[in-house]
Amino acid sequence: SQQGEEDPQALSIQEGENATMNCSYKTSINNLQWYRQNSGRGLVHLILIRSNEREKHSGRLRVTLDTSKKSSSLLITASRAADTASYFCATDGMDSSYKLIFGSGTRLLVRP
Amino acid sequence: EPEVTQTPSHQVTQMGQEVILRCVPISNHLYFYWYRQILGQKVEFLVSFYNNEISEKSEIFDDQFSVERPDGSNFTLKIRSTKLEDSAMYFCASRPTGPGEQFFGPGTRLTVL
Repeated sequence: SQQGEEDPQALSIQEGENATMNCSYKTSINNLQWYRQNSGRGLVHLILIRSNEREKHSGRLRVTLDTSKKSSSLLITASRAADTASYFCATDGMDSSYKLIFGSGTRLLVRP
Repeated sequence: EPEVTQTPSHQVTQMGQEVILRCVPISNHLYFYWYRQILGQKVEFLVSFYNNEISEKSEIFDDQFSVERPDGSNFTLKIRSTKLEDSAMYFCASRPTGPGEQFFGPGTRLTVL
């Protein structure tokens, strides 16, 4: 699989439930970031976790990072219909350009 | 709050034509990027630009592509002779320095007919 693969590819939950998305990557990283994209729109930065951090919170978002397993998870608690979007992880590698390598994304549908 | 802007929001062109996609990064940022996203697929890195030169480019960024920062504020992506497979959403991004959050523009949807 490619750098930054998410699973599941699609997730459908009821409003109020929690949503968990996972991301795996292959190479060493400086940090891992999660972005959100509403259909056909731009990318909105959600949260960044550095390689020396294991967990980070921001509002209803909780991100974990396990560098030994090269994996991360994004938890959205108490989901709302407005959370319906695609969620991408992106790794910021060790090269000098600091380019982002994106995963294939999880499409989240929150049913009202 | 400062933001990255892109114009146009949607560009339709005929195959073989040249297009220029424009971006205005956040003013004190030093690193600039172009990414593209073919419909339904992942976001792919095209090119990074730092200190007035390309610092890295992907395999996608062939001789048909070029970037410029002509006046210290605009950052442009030129596709010399567009192909059908160039149809995609093109995102510009910038960051102030080093590793960390990249700030993305709203994108330009390019449709090649």
